[in-house]
Amino acid sequence: QSALTQPASVSGSPGKSITISCTGTSSDVGGYNFVSWYQQHPGKAPKLIIHDVINRPSGVSSRLSGSKSGNTASLTISGLQAEDEADYYCSSYTSSTTFVFGTGTKVTVL
Amino acid sequence: EVQLVESGGGLVQPGGSLRLSCAASGFTFSSYGMSWVRQAPGKGLEWVANIKEAGGEKYYVDSVRGRFTISRDNAKNSLHLQMDSLRAEDTAVYYCARTPGRGGSDYWGQGTLVTVSS
Repeated sequence: QSALTQPASVSGSPGKSITISCTGTSSDVGGYNFVSWYQQHPGKAPKLIIHDVINRPSGVSSRLSGSKSGNTASLTISGLQAEDEADYYCSSYTSSTTFVFGTGTKVTVL
Repeated sequence: EVQLVESGGGLVQPGGSLRLSCAASGFTFSSYGMSWVRQAPGKGLEWVANIKEAGGEKYYVDSVRGRFTISRDNAKNSLHLQMDSLRAEDTAVYYCARTPGRGGSDYWGQGTLVTVSS
């Protein structure tokens, strides 16, 4: 049950796009279309922003999009805004019938 | 409105026990799987345990299996985590989360802090 690998930090200028990667194995990310992404602002609870690899919950900005290729899932934030500055975590269902989170990525808006 | 409210956190000595609770409202509790997720101070999220709708299927992360027990009371719309043999590394904010399936957890509580220290 090793954590999924994410870059520690990603930054971008307002209006630009950034992509956060989430790398696992064929036993988790690569084996199932059950990847989710969460946004967490300091001192707050995580918020689901993408589920089942590509789906946005109601009310989540269309600037956020998810994808997957092989053992790596990705979250893209387009039109970067100040409110996007937060920590982001991926998560996947696993072959052990458990869940695993990513190591987390801090997004900074320059 | 979906609401999840955790309680039961606090300071406990190593080797001690604590029971966390999560009160659910605003949805049909018995129709959803539920999870506990924790976050150590300044660290990332760690999935702890999951329980299916009827409570018959339970899953745990290796580090807590045999020490923690997840349970639910569908009549009282509540989720619990019994934590025994607590260790310093169990210190974290514990969140309960509604988990409709394998694709993600869509609602989260605000968390309750558990501190294991002598």
